[in-house]
Amino acid sequence: GDSVTQMEGPVTLSEEAFLTINCTYTATGYPSLFWYVQYPGEGLQLLLKATKADDKGSNKGFEATYRKETTSFHLEKGSVQVSDSAVYFCALSSQSSGNTPLVFGKGTRLSVIA
Amino acid sequence: GAVVSQHPSRVICKSGTSVKIECRSLDFQATTMFWYRQFPKQSLMLMATSNEGSKATYEQGVEKDKFLINHASLTLSTLTVTSAHPEDSSFYICSARGDFGRLYEQYFGPGTRLTVT
Repeated sequence: GDSVTQMEGPVTLSEEAFLTINCTYTATGYPSLFWYVQYPGEGLQLLLKATKADDKGSNKGFEATYRKETTSFHLEKGSVQVSDSAVYFCALSSQSSGNTPLVFGKGTRLSVIA
Repeated sequence: GAVVSQHPSRVICKSGTSVKIECRSLDFQATTMFWYRQFPKQSLMLMATSNEGSKATYEQGVEKDKFLINHASLTLSTLTVTSAHPEDSSFYICSARGDFGRLYEQYFGPGTRLTVT
């Protein structure tokens, strides 16, 4: 079945450091890929998405590129801030319609210290 | 646009009582709603998938008689935890999926923290 594998956390960085959170996936066909962010005590928010190979999703300084050849969708940010501290989930949707739920990775907790 | 609300955001109940959690899509019609459970510092566990007007599909290991899901309309789904026990304490998150063109996007509610004493 479909699956998502994320690097295990927690990840602790100093403010303004470069962030990479690795995500690889296994899926049939051509899935859509997502990054969600969960701030403490809150639900999930869509951070960015990509629907086809070589697409780059970006938002709030975060970027991720859909790499079909390596089945990856790594999340990057050039300079993190304390406010980026949260849990980040990589997810895929293997169908563009219907009842298929998202398949989530286990999440990576990021802590940014001043 | 694409806002999903949940109510209540927090609830504390006594063991043996039932609790109802509402999930609403505020500005779109949700063809499908999903209910997740999240334990501390863990990922989301899908509990069930519901479509408006039909019975929910529960994931393996989820007791459908304990977690009653009603998807009464295209904008409202409810999860009722019946005869709650302390082990049901958790963070419950719903999401709603609507047709936004080519991609059926999924939007999440802010979650409901249930504490059973």
